[in-house]
Amino acid sequence: DTEVTQTPKHLVMGMTNKKSLKCEQHMGHRAMYWYKQKAKKPPELMFVYSYEKLSINESVPSRFSPECPNSSLLNLHLHALQPEDSALYLCASSSYRGLDTEAFFGQGTRLTVV
Amino acid sequence: QQQVKQSPQSLIVQKGGISIINCAYENTAFDYFPWYQQFPGKGPALLIAIRPDVSEKKEGRFTISFNKSAKQFSLHIMDSQPGDSATYFCAASPYTSGTYKYIFGTGTRLKVLA
Repeated sequence: DTEVTQTPKHLVMGMTNKKSLKCEQHMGHRAMYWYKQKAKKPPELMFVYSYEKLSINESVPSRFSPECPNSSLLNLHLHALQPEDSALYLCASSSYRGLDTEAFFGQGTRLTVV
Repeated sequence: QQQVKQSPQSLIVQKGGISIINCAYENTAFDYFPWYQQFPGKGPALLIAIRPDVSEKKEGRFTISFNKSAKQFSLHIMDSQPGDSATYFCAASPYTSGTYKYIFGTGTRLKVLA
């Protein structure tokens, strides 16, 4: 199973709402990532979790709050977002086994902030 | 130094032709170079990846050529098919504490004409 599952697939939220994005993988990967992708742009790294600990935060605004409850799950909590935060949010995971590893991406959550 | 420059921005190829996409980087700490294919509304999918100790890697119709001294690498798609029409991203990453901080190129939108 090389699948990273993200839910929901689509999300529309108001600027005062609180919502969460979820990501799950069962490949035994110990590194998990959140990326943000705007239309016709490359993915941009937001956060990296390594063994359930936050290892990289790319200066992301505090209205985005990541959480890694266990080695298979990754959440992104959203609060007081702005319309410019509308984007495709991608989760990925990768293995620590040697250097022959690659990142597997989920299908993403299409977020629209109204 | 953190950028990965990708060209061309868009590419139109006849069915059966060769598609060539080029990337260049500055940071000599990068040691992993994957290529991703992304269809509209989907997450990126890994095509092929290479490390700097190898000058060429081939998987099926996809070949990566790597020039370490020039800090350049390219993707060749042989016998291009209409189903290859997608956006292609090169990426580069240093290997830091067991995680990969993927930095993506700007993307190439490939269209293969039937």
